[in-house]
Amino acid sequence: AQSVSQHNHHVILSEAASLELGCNYSYGGTVNLFWYVQYPGQHLQLLLKYFSGDPLVKGIKGFEAEFIKSKFSFNLRKPSVQWSDTAEYFCAVRLYNFNKFYFGSGTKLNVKP
Amino acid sequence: DTAVSQTPKYLVTQMGNDKSIKCEQNLGHDTMYWYKQDSKKFLKIMFSYNNKELIINETVPNRFSPKSPDKAHLNLHINSLELGDSAVYFCASSQGADNSPLHFGNGTRLTVT
Repeated sequence: AQSVSQHNHHVILSEAASLELGCNYSYGGTVNLFWYVQYPGQHLQLLLKYFSGDPLVKGIKGFEAEFIKSKFSFNLRKPSVQWSDTAEYFCAVRLYNFNKFYFGSGTKLNVKP
Repeated sequence: DTAVSQTPKYLVTQMGNDKSIKCEQNLGHDTMYWYKQDSKKFLKIMFSYNNKELIINETVPNRFSPKSPDKAHLNLHINSLELGDSAVYFCASSQGADNSPLHFGNGTRLTVT
């Protein structure tokens, strides 16, 4: 069965620290990849997406992610986090030609001011 | 203008009752979904409709019945509510094309007492 793994369940950082959240998936075919953010009490919002082309994609709010096909990974990065980045982050995979999105279990990020 | 809107935002009810959650999207998407987010923030797909046709039906108790009167609406009716049904239910939509992300509604927090 396809799965999406987010290894970091809870990350605590100070402001200005660099962030990297891991995401691995288990599907060997063509995939679309996404990172979503859920601020406290809110719905999920799209941060960035990868479909094809340049494996380094840039999203909103200074986030970026790198698709490494050989590692089945799509890690999320930000050079310098802010207190307002405190949220839950979800990686998602959509199998090519399927209308189904698989989500990771989420990573809770706490940024200390 | 809200792209994916669901009502109500909060729903508190007693065990054994029947309740409905409504969802509407004005994005012109052809696929709609219901996701359940439990207390640990894990997102699980429940149902998906494409142009009013059920295409995904995960292992969900048959007390849950989705209905899609048209491709812009997907409602969720729950019979005989149980304590374990307490969660946040998110409606989402996407276009059938593979480069389309999910757009989420604001969620309905269901509390069963």
